[in-house]
Amino acid sequence: NAGVTQTPKFQVLKTGQSMTLQCAQDMNHNSMYWYRQDPGMGLRLIYYSASEGTTDKGEVPNGYNVSRLNKREFSLRLESAAPSQTSVYFCASSLSQGIFVQYFGPGTRLTVT
Amino acid sequence: GENVEQHPSTLSVQEGDSAVIKCTYSDSASNYFPWYKQELGKGPQLIIDIRSNVGEKKDQRIAVTLNKTAKHFSLHITETQPEDSAVYFCAATLSGYSTLTFGKGTMLLVSP
Repeated sequence: NAGVTQTPKFQVLKTGQSMTLQCAQDMNHNSMYWYRQDPGMGLRLIYYSASEGTTDKGEVPNGYNVSRLNKREFSLRLESAAPSQTSVYFCASSLSQGIFVQYFGPGTRLTVT
Repeated sequence: GENVEQHPSTLSVQEGDSAVIKCTYSDSASNYFPWYKQELGKGPQLIIDIRSNVGEKKDQRIAVTLNKTAKHFSLHITETQPEDSAVYFCAATLSGYSTLTFGKGTMLLVSP
């Protein structure tokens, strides 16, 4: 099993450009999450999907959209990138809602110039 | 919502020493407290967790203690090794909710 995979690993965007970060898991998990990690800020939840067909905002959703394409895949879209969105983005999944272990992908390092 | 404070932000120890990282949480209803380890260039990985009906849990060289009255929990690493060098995150959540609230992380450096 590959676990949680993310593409791309690195990306550089210009201000105003758009892009989609892809995430897939092969563990048959129901819940998936997108976090951003900034120096000194820890991990902050952007959006999550408790189950296929549902999505909810996290702590820092502004400037992002998500799509739960199917049970395996959960994408994060930046419609008009801003320098404040320069960050490392992590996707995670868990068996279900509640107190279940979250498994993280390797991350995407995004720079917006 | 839940707020998690984590201290210290950086911790340097000599190999073989013990390391302690502390977290406090704000929501007294929180009942699940995991700890994640993040190695350089990788995603976080769960190393140990504790539920509110337990005061302490051990797994080899690592242990977590929970004080519900004071609303704080701690990670203890004994006999530290260079491979323990990483960023450690605590988190808290309320049963039935799907989201974790993370602390800001502690960078642990173990010197040989």
